[in-house]
Amino acid sequence: NAGVTQTPKFRVLKTGQSMTLLCAQDMNHEYMYWYRQDPGMGLRLIHYSVGEGTTAKGEVPDGYNVSRLKKQNFLLGLESAAPSQTSVYFCASSYFEGPGQNTEAFFGQGTRLTVV
Amino acid sequence: DQQVKQNSPSLSVQEGRISILNCDYTNSMFDYFLWYKKYPAEGPTFLISISSIKDKNEDGRFTVFLNKSAKHLSLHIVPSQPGDSAVYFCAASGGGGTSYGKLTFGQGTILTVHP
Repeated sequence: NAGVTQTPKFRVLKTGQSMTLLCAQDMNHEYMYWYRQDPGMGLRLIHYSVGEGTTAKGEVPDGYNVSRLKKQNFLLGLESAAPSQTSVYFCASSYFEGPGQNTEAFFGQGTRLTVV
Repeated sequence: DQQVKQNSPSLSVQEGRISILNCDYTNSMFDYFLWYKKYPAEGPTFLISISSIKDKNEDGRFTVFLNKSAKHLSLHIVPSQPGDSAVYFCAASGGGGTSYGKLTFGQGTILTVHP
């Protein structure tokens, strides 16, 4: 049982390059998320998905796109990387039992992305 | 608009004493609250949670208190241990519609427990 797996773990991009971060979960969770962590800013939600084939914008969606073609995978794309996208990216997944119920999310190990 | 706020960037305590981490929120629709712990170079891991219908939840050395009228929650660690040194994030979910399962995080508090 691997939980949430992110690939790659590290990446250096040049400004203007594109890349895709892959997140895979094996817990059959409906919800999946992409967060970025920056010093003093906590974890900010980029995009999330409440089920296969659905996506929604979070707090900081600009410059990113996502796709959820399969329930177990959630892809984060950067079409034209900028230095402001240098960050640590975390994927997470969770089940949802209903309003007011447990919404514990399980996180991957993170991807450290540097854009030069 | 920061809906979940942790106003103390850092906290330093002595081993064996109590650590109290605080969190404030603005969205009255939040109905579930969680605390996560994060070590360097690792993903956040779940620590403890509380539903909005409760005011206290306890798990071993960790207790979370919720004051809905003040829109405030706190995490108490007693006794604190050096291994507790980490970044602690509070998170909230709810808000109606498709926001029910979505987690909104605070900025985090760095806890350092000195031997």
